[in-house]
Amino acid sequence: DTAVSQTPKYLVTQMGNDKSIKCEQNLGHDTMYWYKQDSKKFLKIMFSYNNKELIINETVPNRFSPKSPDKAHLNLHINSLELGDSAVYFCASSQPRRGETQYFGPGTRLLVL
Amino acid sequence: GNSVTQMEGPVTLSEEAFLTINCTYTATGYPSLFWYVQYPGEGLQLLLKATKADDKGSNKGFEATYRKETTSFHLEKGSVQVSDSAVYFCALSLYNQGGKLIFGQGTELSVKP
Repeated sequence: DTAVSQTPKYLVTQMGNDKSIKCEQNLGHDTMYWYKQDSKKFLKIMFSYNNKELIINETVPNRFSPKSPDKAHLNLHINSLELGDSAVYFCASSQPRRGETQYFGPGTRLLVL
Repeated sequence: GNSVTQMEGPVTLSEEAFLTINCTYTATGYPSLFWYVQYPGEGLQLLLKATKADDKGSNKGFEATYRKETTSFHLEKGSVQVSDSAVYFCALSLYNQGGKLIFGQGTELSVKP
């Protein structure tokens, strides 16, 4: 049983396009996150939602818009894609308690041409 | 600010060698500390964690001790295997900052037979 799933796994698109990445977790967690991993493998938080409410927005361009229809889903929509958006995007989930483990999805590899 | 610094890689070892990957942190509060591992083409998996000073996290032969006095959480394994080849990330989280993970830059480990 997949705990945190993401679709699609790979995304190749042209500059200027709009795309979405979907994330679902079946762990019953209240909190979900989006992280970006760049080409040097550095990981940085982008957004976090707790029970459908945005709680973290880390100076991400407003071309990126997260949406959480329910606490099991957190989607990421990106408008007007740029070359610099090429990265691996990871979704994660956890309970909102101190020291809780975050469980990561397999990642979505986005390549903007 | 809050940050994590890891020793730079790549680290190349022979099978059965001793492994140490250094990790130090700076935090404005009392963080929880984690080691995550990323195998090629996959998402991140929790390797071990510690939530208070002097706690030792351990899993699959890996260990790390939360040292508040030296703000460190070094990862060790007594005898590495080829299957341990991966990228290792040290990270901290602070509950009063939404629980986001702040990662070190990652250390790539390659174990040769």
